[in-house]
Amino acid sequence: TQLLEQSPQFLSIQEGENLTVYCNSSSVFSSLQWYRQEPGEGPVLLVTVVTGGEVKKLKRLTFQFGDARKDSSLHITAAQPGDTGLYLCAGVGQGGKLIFGQGTELSVKP
Amino acid sequence: DAMVIQNPRYQVTQFGKPVTLSCSQTLNHNVMYWYQQKSSQAPKLLFHYYDKDFNNEADTPDNFQSRRPNTSFCFLDIRSPGLGDAAMYLCATSLARLAKETQYFGPGTRLLVL
Repeated sequence: TQLLEQSPQFLSIQEGENLTVYCNSSSVFSSLQWYRQEPGEGPVLLVTVVTGGEVKKLKRLTFQFGDARKDSSLHITAAQPGDTGLYLCAGVGQGGKLIFGQGTELSVKP
Repeated sequence: DAMVIQNPRYQVTQFGKPVTLSCSQTLNHNVMYWYQQKSSQAPKLLFHYYDKDFNNEADTPDNFQSRRPNTSFCFLDIRSPGLGDAAMYLCATSLARLAKETQYFGPGTRLLVL
């Protein structure tokens, strides 16, 4: 069974701080996706990483896929209150099924 | 704009009273998924349709059923909702069941069971 361990589960920081969220597995994934979900809404895809070692940037967000394609990280620089939400990593498993991590609830206080 | 639409956004039902949630899509995608998401947890896949082919997850209770009358619409039926079924229900679509395909999520229906 493919599993994804996401950490930390909860993160409360002040505006302007940096943070990193980790997503780890013992399984290899063909690709890994990061979603952001605001309260009362569905997840919105931020990025898909496909190649081992790949780094993608989305403004203040940096996503990295591990060389062995078993782990990924999301780094946010100078967090803002608008970054508040639930961040989900999801590995793409057999048949295109998404295998989600537990999620990281991020709160950025002004 | 092409999108995934879920109605209603909020649904209140009584313990044991059947309820149906609906999802429609204008993306013309072949695959439609239903997920259950409890507070501050990751979405849990209940089942999916690949075209008309229904695929149930092994741990999805029999209380949950689904119908897909055509490409655009998919329904989630909860035959006898219990208090533990209160959750956000998310519909998603993808063009195919391939690793490279993105899943597009609807806004969800929040179900409250009284």
